[in-house]
Amino acid sequence: DIQMTQSPSSLSASVGDSVTITCQASQDINNYLNWYQQKTGKAPKLLIYRASTLETGVPTRFSGSGYGADFTFTITNLQPEDFATYYCQQYDISPLTFGGGTKVEI
Amino acid sequence: EVQLVESGGGLVKPGGSLRLSCVVSGFKLSGHTMNWVRQAPGKGLEWVSSISTSSNYIHYADTVKGRFTISRDNARDLLFLQMDSLRPEDTAVYYCARAKGSLEWVFHPIDYWGQGTLATVSS
Repeated sequence: DIQMTQSPSSLSASVGDSVTITCQASQDINNYLNWYQQKTGKAPKLLIYRASTLETGVPTRFSGSGYGADFTFTITNLQPEDFATYYCQQYDISPLTFGGGTKVEI
Repeated sequence: EVQLVESGGGLVKPGGSLRLSCVVSGFKLSGHTMNWVRQAPGKGLEWVSSISTSSNYIHYADTVKGRFTISRDNARDLLFLQMDSLRPEDTAVYYCARAKGSLEWVFHPIDYWGQGTLATVSS
């Protein structure tokens, strides 16, 4: 199985800051990498797919990059509604696997 | 508006069974690969299973293989997850989740999720 190592597991930031989350796959997954946002008690929401493609309707302050095994996710100009948990997920090979999550706190 | 609504969760004893259902609206089930993803209380996301549009490609997580069965009824826009031989570690919110694409032999990003149904396995 492909292991997804996401870091950090949590971070503190302020409104207006930029934050970066990394995700490392245990093997090459091309660019079959998604990023999701989950707020407490809610279902996850797709933000970015294919490592860098912004889902329709997602603000441009969210961005992703990477290829192969190393990926980054960045939020610029952090907004109050962005405080949530973020997950990466590979969809190259079954079983599909998620990173452990990054909780972005105020 | 795309909607996915799960049902069938509840409290069951170890070794028991549950059958989860997911009814979709706002799109045709037949046009999308579908998934089940679960989340144990206070924990992260775990993909459980996926099924392609015509049920030709079915995949399971190792943790549920041989115990869970995914199926779909495209005519009625329904997705199912039959869960047998349940264990306490299967306790989780189970999400029905739509994949963005329809090609049967590849995986796709998950673009819509239901609100989830809680399955609790406890004696």
